Amino acid sequence: GQNIDQPTEMTATEGAIVQINCTYQTSGFNGLFWYQQHAGEAPTFLSYNVLDGLEEKGRFSSFLSRSKGYSYLLLKELQMKDSASYLCAVRAGSSNTGKLIFGQGTTLQVKP
Amino acid sequence: GAVVSQHPSRVICKSGTSVKIECRSLDFQATTMFWYRQFPKQSLMLMATSNEGSKATYEQGVEKDKFLINHASLTLSTLTVTSAHPEDSSFYICSAEGVPDSPLHFGNGTRLTVT
Repeated sequence: GQNIDQPTEMTATEGAIVQINCTYQTSGFNGLFWYQQHAGEAPTFLSYNVLDGLEEKGRFSSFLSRSKGYSYLLLKELQMKDSASYLCAVRAGSSNTGKLIFGQGTTLQVKP
Repeated sequence: GAVVSQHPSRVICKSGTSVKIECRSLDFQATTMFWYRQFPKQSLMLMATSNEGSKATYEQGVEKDKFLINHASLTLSTLTVTSAHPEDSSFYICSAEGVPDSPLHFGNGTRLTVT
């Protein structure tokens, strides 16, 4: 089966760094995605990893270890607007196209 | 960048009626679109994969006769919720795939409320 796990909730302080972990067990792997979703809105794309290692994009970085079935999203210099749900999603199967399977999401609350 | 438009953004309907939701890829051709449903405080659950010119592929537990999907062109897919019931009230989100190895682009979602 497909299983993607991430913590349900996290709290961090404005200006700090937070790491959101994601572990996955899927039949096939063709990329891991991180999305941000504010309440009542659609997800917006943050980052994409298909090879092992770190991808950096401004204040956001994402890391992947395929052998461990593990990824994390790192958010630096946290701002109040970063309070949102963060979704880890895996493109399973044998193709580099196709559906994404989502984890349950991590609700991040940034406090002053 | 790739844009996906979804309409309507909100709809309220009476129990027993049908509702159609449209998903359009505005600046790229999408041979495949995906329909997700999201209940409050839960993650996105894939309902079906919509392929242009062929029948949709439904996920286990999703009733294909209740959630009708039509993907008539490379830029338009529609989801029709037939004989809607209050338990169908949810946030429905479509997404479209452009080139391989690219992220899915999501529409803004449709908040369906069935009274």
